[in-house]
Amino acid sequence: AQSVAQPEDQVNVAEGNPLTVKCTYSVSGNPYLFWYVQYPNRGLQFLLKYITGDNLVKGSYGFEAEFNKSQTSFHLKKPSALVSDSALYFCAVRDPDTNAGKSTFGDGTTLTVKP
Amino acid sequence: EAGVVQSPRYKIIEKKQPVAFWCNPISGHNTLYWYRQNLGQGPELLIRYENEEAVDDSQLPKDRFSAERLKGVDSTLKIQPAELGDSAVYLCASSLGAAGGNEQFFGPGTRLTVL
Repeated sequence: AQSVAQPEDQVNVAEGNPLTVKCTYSVSGNPYLFWYVQYPNRGLQFLLKYITGDNLVKGSYGFEAEFNKSQTSFHLKKPSALVSDSALYFCAVRDPDTNAGKSTFGDGTTLTVKP
Repeated sequence: EAGVVQSPRYKIIEKKQPVAFWCNPISGHNTLYWYRQNLGQGPELLIRYENEEAVDDSQLPKDRFSAERLKGVDSTLKIQPAELGDSAVYLCASSLGAAGGNEQFFGPGTRLTVL
């Protein structure tokens, strides 16, 4: 069975500082990994994904994430946080070998960026 | 390009009443998903369609929930009768295909309150 964990319910950073939102996963094979962001009263919005290739993937709004197979992690990062980055972030995993179409989402991490 | 459209945005009903949610996916997206998102949790898949075929409905409570996607485009999710525990946000998403690394595009959701 596939699963994903976001160990932090909340992350607080000051504007201009780097941010990291953590995600670990469990699948039997090679994973597909995704990050989505959710603003209040809106649906989830795709940020970036790892399918294959370079372990460092870049996405929307200056976000990036690093796939680490040995640590089964896919942490979301940004070098310099903005107040407008404050939102709810979800990590998702899909096992293409056993669950071709099913994504499992974490419970989310609330990011608060203070001015 | 229009995104995923859902209606209504909000619905308040008494328990034991029926309720229906409608979703129109992004044009050309053959895969459609219905998720339920409880407060403080990530989305949980209820049903996934490939065109008009329901290919994963293992998490759909079939005693009270039903869904259809008759022409492989828009979809309706119904609950009858609703229970207090059904209060949640119901999200619709679509993608170009479930297999592979395609990301999902989410609608704004329908917030259901059962009194």
